[in-house]
Amino acid sequence: QKEVEQDPGPLSVPEGAIVSLNCTYSNSAFQYFMWYRQYSRKGPELLMYTYSSGNKEDGRFTAQVDKSSKYISLFIRDSQPSDSATYLCAMRGNNNDMRFGAGTRLTVKP
Amino acid sequence: ETGVTQTPRHLVMGMTNKKSLKCEQHLGHNAMYWYKQSAKKPLELMFVYNFKEQTENNSVPSRFSPECPNSSHLFLHLHTLQPEDSALYLCASSQDSTSGRGYEQYFGPGTRLTVT
Repeated sequence: QKEVEQDPGPLSVPEGAIVSLNCTYSNSAFQYFMWYRQYSRKGPELLMYTYSSGNKEDGRFTAQVDKSSKYISLFIRDSQPSDSATYLCAMRGNNNDMRFGAGTRLTVKP
Repeated sequence: ETGVTQTPRHLVMGMTNKKSLKCEQHLGHNAMYWYKQSAKKPLELMFVYNFKEQTENNSVPSRFSPECPNSSHLFLHLHTLQPEDSALYLCASSQDSTSGRGYEQYFGPGTRLTVT
């Protein structure tokens, strides 16, 4: 079993749709949960982070962590064409080692 | 220059060549990282430097040799690479690698490496 599983997609939605992106993981030591966004020919940029379980909202983006199920989600409301990118989940424990998902490619069509 | 810069952006090299990738961060951070990104695979952490000291080497083959002369600069020296080493190599930095803020990593645009 991979340490972090993420559906690579691709995922295509119409503009204005609600997007749900998910990752599952196996290591119960993970404490920090992140979502990175990567545009074509660019490096990943940190979008959201959550420490331990719970929800976090930032504008149109909501991150959720359910440690009991080892499941994290990113919701994008009112999706825009500019949200088209690859979304990477990432997580780490109390050490240096960050683990990434393979990324989900999202396309939002006008 | 702002953020994290990487040069060159593209590199084609033969298996017998020696080349180096360069990364520079302008964020005042103390930790720097090398990652390998292959198509449809998760980012693979290769090396971590914290305050110029190497703290992680994730079983990376010796044909990859990192160098961190100061907290702002990071190099990846390449020699006798294999075609399967072709990938996007990303550099990142963070405030430091051991505190909780180590999650907040800032990435450069990457070097697209092709080994022929």
